[in-house]
Amino acid sequence: EAGVAQSPRYKIIEKRQSVAFWCNPISGHATLYWYQQILGQGPKLLIQFQNNGVVDDSQLPKDRFSAERLKGVDSTLKIQPAKLEDSAVYLCASSLAPGTNSPLHFGNGTRLTVT
Amino acid sequence: AQKITQTQPGMFVQEKEAVTLDCTYDTSDPSYGLFWYKQPSSGEMIFLIYQGSYDQQNATEGRYSLNFQKARKSANLVISASQLGDSAMYFCAMREGNTNAGKSTFGDGTTLTVKP
Repeated sequence: EAGVAQSPRYKIIEKRQSVAFWCNPISGHATLYWYQQILGQGPKLLIQFQNNGVVDDSQLPKDRFSAERLKGVDSTLKIQPAKLEDSAVYLCASSLAPGTNSPLHFGNGTRLTVT
Repeated sequence: AQKITQTQPGMFVQEKEAVTLDCTYDTSDPSYGLFWYKQPSSGEMIFLIYQGSYDQQNATEGRYSLNFQKARKSANLVISASQLGDSAMYFCAMREGNTNAGKSTFGDGTTLTVKP
């Protein structure tokens, strides 16, 4: 099966600019996640979708971050305006179901550098 | 409170030897799953092994086994016969079923280096 697709792979922007990341999950996977991984740390959940509804966005900085999942498939994550501390790898993951026994399948991530 | 704690920032092991990576977790949810993921320097996150909270036996997957001690809330990963390709960052993660709608929480990881 095709894996989770993410683009772009790398992005360099200046602070206060905007940026968008795209994710296409594994076909049939109802649950989609966006994680932020700062260098040397574990992934931190930003938002979790179940189909096209938001399940958890408690750690999403909503003043600058937004995410949507149209038609329950592809998803985009946007940052506007970016800050220096947003430099990180943004990982998209999907799982077949939200159940406790369903592992996450990750994309290769987008490495964002804010200068 | 930290839900997943990995106390070993870095570990070294000699090739062909076994190594244990520690993980403790905190939850009041009776239904949860514990996972280990491997992240090589290339960045992709790879699922290794899963243990359910109701599973009576420790999970095994090839050279990977999970030492699950429910009363101590620990879920240590054991890698047997280490290979150079095992050098990577390893993350312990938990999914809680009833209280958090399947949200996955990760620890801060352990960097494993396998020496030839």
